[in-house]
Amino acid sequence: DIQMTQSPSTLSASVGDRVTITCRASQTVSKWLAWYQQKPGKAPKLLIYKTSTLESGVPSRFSGSGSGTEFTLTISSLQPDDFATYYCQQFDNYLYTFGQGTKLEIK
Amino acid sequence: QLQLQESGPGLVQPSETLSLTCTVSGGSISRNNYYWGWIRQPPGKGLEWIGSIYYSGITYSNPSLKSRVTISVDTSKNQFSLRLNSVTAADTAVYYCARQGSATTPEFVYWGQGTLVTVSS
Repeated sequence: DIQMTQSPSTLSASVGDRVTITCRASQTVSKWLAWYQQKPGKAPKLLIYKTSTLESGVPSRFSGSGSGTEFTLTISSLQPDDFATYYCQQFDNYLYTFGQGTKLEIK
Repeated sequence: QLQLQESGPGLVQPSETLSLTCTVSGGSISRNNYYWGWIRQPPGKGLEWIGSIYYSGITYSNPSLKSRVTISVDTSKNQFSLRLNSVTAADTAVYYCARQGSATTPEFVYWGQGTLVTVSS
């Protein structure tokens, strides 16, 4: 099974900062790498799919990149609404695996 | 607009079977080539994919749960269901049902609000 490891687990940042979250896979994954945002008490929201494609309605300050075993989610200029927990997810051979999550906190 | 709603008991006894149903509205569960999934989240922890089902009944499950999981679909009721047997306290979680955004991409776009299931005597 493919394991996904996110870093850092917690990230403290300020409004306006540029932040990057990394997701590393235990083996090469396909292009089906997605990123979700989750706020307390809510279902996750898809931000990016197929590594770098922005889901409809998601602000352009979010971007994704990567290949092979290392992928990143970047927020170019943090807004107050962005403080949440972020998860990567891979899909391969009809199986899904999530990363353990990165909590983005206000510094 | 597609909507999903989980339902089922909020409390399950240890060693018994957890049963949840996801009711789909705003779209037919048997239309197009979508997979419908179950994902769970223990309190304060991360997301875990449980399994997915195609309208025809084809299922895929997390290998770590596969021996205890049954996912089924009832197209006449526009519902799909999860059964997880031999539950323990470790199965206490918010359970979400979800669907892919399109037939050609696997990511979950549509989610239910989630339902908390507690395993306790």
